[in-house]
Amino acid sequence: QQQVKQSPQSLIVQKGGISIINCAYENTAFDYFPWYQQFPGKGPALLIAIRPDVSEKKEGRFTISFNKSAKQFSLHIMDSQPGDSATYFCAASLASGTYKYIFGTGTRLKVLA
Amino acid sequence: NAGVMQNPRHLVRRRGQEARLRCSPMKGHSHVYWYRQLPEEGLKFMVYLQKENIIDESGMPKERFSAEFPKEGPSILRIQQVVRGDSAAYFCASSRDQGLYSGNTIYFGEGSWLTVV
Repeated sequence: QQQVKQSPQSLIVQKGGISIINCAYENTAFDYFPWYQQFPGKGPALLIAIRPDVSEKKEGRFTISFNKSAKQFSLHIMDSQPGDSATYFCAASLASGTYKYIFGTGTRLKVLA
Repeated sequence: NAGVMQNPRHLVRRRGQEARLRCSPMKGHSHVYWYRQLPEEGLKFMVYLQKENIIDESGMPKERFSAEFPKEGPSILRIQQVVRGDSAAYFCASSRDQGLYSGNTIYFGEGSWLTVV
């Protein structure tokens, strides 16, 4: 019940295309859902985050869509660029422990030039 | 404003040796967290510390692992008698506050890669 399932494991997208990464969770007590971007040899960097009181949040080319009833959320990267090639992790946490993120297993995105 | 600083970035230890990983949080941050990332896996929470206190160590292995965050100096994650299965990237993170509605964000360092041979 503490898991966050992420798919796909890897993704190849043409430059300018839309990259979509999906996550699903079981614990309805989760109420904070961040996405992190990680380049090889680097630490994860917060990309965008959402709380369950909204269904969508957009920041630049990155959008989170949140479906509370389905317990799913997804990251959309519009106009994908080669510089977006990285591993993306979704995560979830509880209000009582926002530091104790439960991370998905990651999606390795490659954007072809 | 320097980010979360971790050292060493890479560490090689023989089985049975000790590994010490250090973390200096971002300026103004008093909350430190350690996560472990095994190859091809997501990060897993290990421990949460404030100055001189361990707040939550529910993710720490019961044996050989310990963490501290002294009044002065960096936080240290210590792994005694390392085994091959300890080979992983260890990430430290820090935050200013701890609370969902304070706009809290945790910031990760670049990690310490431990290889046990």
